[in-house]
Amino acid sequence: SQQGEEDPQALSIQEGENATMNCSYKTSINNLQWYRQNSGRGLVHLILIRSNEREKHSGRLRVTLDTSKKSSSLLITASRAADTASYFCATDAGYGNKLVFGAGTILRVKS
Amino acid sequence: DGGITQSPKYLFRKEGQNVTLSCEQNLNHDAMYWYRQDPGQGLRLIYYSQIVNDFQKGDIAEGYSVSREKKESFPLTVTSAQKNPTAFYLCASRGVGLGGTEAFFGQGTRLTVV
Repeated sequence: SQQGEEDPQALSIQEGENATMNCSYKTSINNLQWYRQNSGRGLVHLILIRSNEREKHSGRLRVTLDTSKKSSSLLITASRAADTASYFCATDAGYGNKLVFGAGTILRVKS
Repeated sequence: DGGITQSPKYLFRKEGQNVTLSCEQNLNHDAMYWYRQDPGQGLRLIYYSQIVNDFQKGDIAEGYSVSREKKESFPLTVTSAQKNPTAFYLCASRGVGLGGTEAFFGQGTRLTVV
């Protein structure tokens, strides 16, 4: 069963705009991670936020985590055409090292 | 260079055949994973392994088998019992760390039934 559910399924924006993607999950987690996938390629890790953290930044990326609502968001600021990709959240419940991915958000940035 | 390598990149299988997908890592990672991705879909967990000679079923293990005889290697066999094997298969690995660690992915194997 999928642990994370991303919203929206697809997002189309203009270059320079911000993109926000959301992830909801069902059970307790140790950490939540965001990944990017270019078409037909493997996934690349973007950012990891632990259950005791509320916000984390990496370059143009900002991730928030609300454990009371079991949700996370990924904000990409000042988007570029090169940000066009699929973005996935993944939950890590800790013990047993099971890493479970959601269905992803397809982001298209138009130049 | 350290990394995770999947082979082959493309694989064609006839009906009723078993095929094995290779996944090798030189990152000294304990945990390894196999995922299946269908067009426009997310990743579904097939099997994962935390340590050599140990592995657990994921959400869609039926029709698949794995082995973990070496830390570096985690091959996936798609058996004839898997009725709809055409998909993109991704292997990943990660280390063990307090609070969790990031996963590293291979470039995938695209399996097609002919």
